[in-house]
Amino acid sequence: GDSVTQTEGLVTVTEGLPVKLNCTYQTTYLTIAFFWYVQYLNEAPQVLLKSSTDNKRTEHQGFHATLHKSSSSFHLQKSSAQLSDSALYYCALSGTEGADRLTFGKGTQLIIQP
Amino acid sequence: NTKITQSPRYLILGRANKSLECEQHLGHNAMYWYKQSAEKPPELMFLYNLKQLIRNETVPSRFIPECPDSSKLLLHISAVDPEDSAVYFCASSPTGVSGNTLYFGEGSRLIVV
Repeated sequence: GDSVTQTEGLVTVTEGLPVKLNCTYQTTYLTIAFFWYVQYLNEAPQVLLKSSTDNKRTEHQGFHATLHKSSSSFHLQKSSAQLSDSALYYCALSGTEGADRLTFGKGTQLIIQP
Repeated sequence: NTKITQSPRYLILGRANKSLECEQHLGHNAMYWYKQSAEKPPELMFLYNLKQLIRNETVPSRFIPECPDSSKLLLHISAVDPEDSAVYFCASSPTGVSGNTLYFGEGSRLIVV
């Protein structure tokens, strides 16, 4: 089956320093869509980034990610962390045909410290 | 996000019956129920597209979904179990074809006592 593996558990970064959250995957889908969802405390998940094009950088709200099919990765990065970036981040993938389920990773808790 | 509203937002139940309601104002054709237990990602329960149930994951039979129209979704829960304690999110997407972005409602937090 399909699987998504994220940086496990908790990542702590000092404000102003770069952030990188890892996401790798295994899939049998021929065409795929990738997502990063962010979930702030006591809120619903919301989409942060989406991509389905190999080797194309996608950016939103200062975050960026590039889908690399050669290495089966879709890492999330930001050059300078802000306190407001503290949240739970999920990487997710789905096929793009039919009614395939969205497969989530287990999530990475990002804490930005002053 | 006021474009997908859920009610009630919180409920505490013994072994009772209850219905969760969701309405979306995004004009989307697909609506979903997700369950999020503590420290876990959301798990798909049901997917409707144009009022038709097209995905029904392995969910206890005490959970019964209903889609009276393409903008509304209900989840009827009978005789809740402690393992049902979780946040239930309604979500929608433009179509039921996979690869679409999901938009989540605020969630309904169910606590079973």
